[in-house]
Amino acid sequence: DAEITQSPRHKITETGRQVTLACHQTWNHNNMFWYRQDLGHGLRLIHYSYGVQDTNKGEVSDGYSVSRSNTEDLPLTLESAASSQTSVYFCASSEDGGVVDTQYFGPGTRLTVL
Amino acid sequence: AQTVTQSQPEMSVQEAETVTLSCTYDTSESDYYLFWYKQPPSRQMILVIRQEAYKQQNATENRFSVNFQKAAKSFSLKISDSQLGDAAMYFCAYRRPWPARQLTFGSGTQLTVLP
Repeated sequence: DAEITQSPRHKITETGRQVTLACHQTWNHNNMFWYRQDLGHGLRLIHYSYGVQDTNKGEVSDGYSVSRSNTEDLPLTLESAASSQTSVYFCASSEDGGVVDTQYFGPGTRLTVL
Repeated sequence: AQTVTQSQPEMSVQEAETVTLSCTYDTSESDYYLFWYKQPPSRQMILVIRQEAYKQQNATENRFSVNFQKAAKSFSLKISDSQLGDAAMYFCAYRRPWPARQLTFGSGTQLTVLP
């Protein structure tokens, strides 16, 4: 079955380190998204991509970057991790061309920055 | 920018009863899409129901239905015959019309189902 996976599921890192969170989907969806979930804020959009070589900044993009070299993967990089980036991170994907396209979410990555 | 407000951080309902979760949004668009997502303790985000703003008929999915009031910018979720498995965090989300695909989420409502 097609799916969307994230790795690692849990990560503890130190302030200042570079961290990369992986997202892989097997639906061949054009659209991929990264959100962070914090108590009281719901999910907030970090970056998104509408296809290979396309990336766009979301609402809370400072300190994060993404690259899209193929359809299946959209890794999220924290250039220099900060304690404020402790959060749960969700990747999502959706099919292009639909009027009401549904976003399918990965299981999430819990990141702790000490 | 669009905003989505869920004014009830927590709610509880007795098993087999009905509960309504509230959501309001702010937009200047006339065409858009609204969603309710469920997040159980497993953390998995699950789409519950969706509504296209151009449709006057309220969406229904089994025990889940919405009350969409476009003029009031309100999009509430009604859960009938509540079950223990309905206990979860519920998020309301908004999507602008095509070609936008990204979602704007509310802060969520934690629903507890009492046996």
